[in-house]
Amino acid sequence: GAVVSQHPSRVICKSGTSVKIECRSLDFQATTMFWYRQFPKQSLMLMATSNEGSKATYEQGVEKDKFLINHASLTLSTLTVTSAHPEDSSFYICSARGRFSYEQYFGPGTRLTVT
Amino acid sequence: GIQVEQSPPDLILQEGANSTLRCNFSDSVNNLQWFHQNPWGQLINLFYIPSGTKQNGRLSATTVATERYSLLYISSSQTTDSGVYFCAAYNNDMRFGAGTRLTVKP
Repeated sequence: GAVVSQHPSRVICKSGTSVKIECRSLDFQATTMFWYRQFPKQSLMLMATSNEGSKATYEQGVEKDKFLINHASLTLSTLTVTSAHPEDSSFYICSARGRFSYEQYFGPGTRLTVT
Repeated sequence: GIQVEQSPPDLILQEGANSTLRCNFSDSVNNLQWFHQNPWGQLINLFYIPSGTKQNGRLSATTVATERYSLLYISSSQTTDSGVYFCAAYNNDMRFGAGTRLTVKP
């Protein structure tokens, strides 16, 4: 149990375009979902937290107008990188937790390359 | 915010050796998890261990919450254990340590 999927696993886009990444909890209801960013050989940095049906809470320094997060259902959250630039290239990972536990389960990640 | 420090940053072992990875955290937390990040980037849940000791096969973990540290033990290491091990301590928002990069040589 506790499986989280992400789609796509890899995406290459041109500078100035937008990219949407989906995160799904497959076998549990995710009341809270998290989005992280990881640069090569570094740790994971929390970008934002979203509760189902509420606006996301962004970490300091993360532009909410650039990284749009939607958590419209208990199994789906999306991250849209708007007007992507090469410096947005990174590994984006989502995680989810259910209503009755603080344990988080992670998706396999999405590698974004902006050319 | 909570600061999480992991040691050592890098560890090279011969297959069959045992190792201990440490995670210190700066403030009281209600939650602590250990993960293994495989070469493809997937984080594998190893333990959810806010306190006490747990074992799963060759891996075990101990968290002493009052002293703000956790230990991950790997026994009889195998080459497939290679990768980065992360500790995350948190109350609501997960804060990761910098990780321990483990290389197990055949």
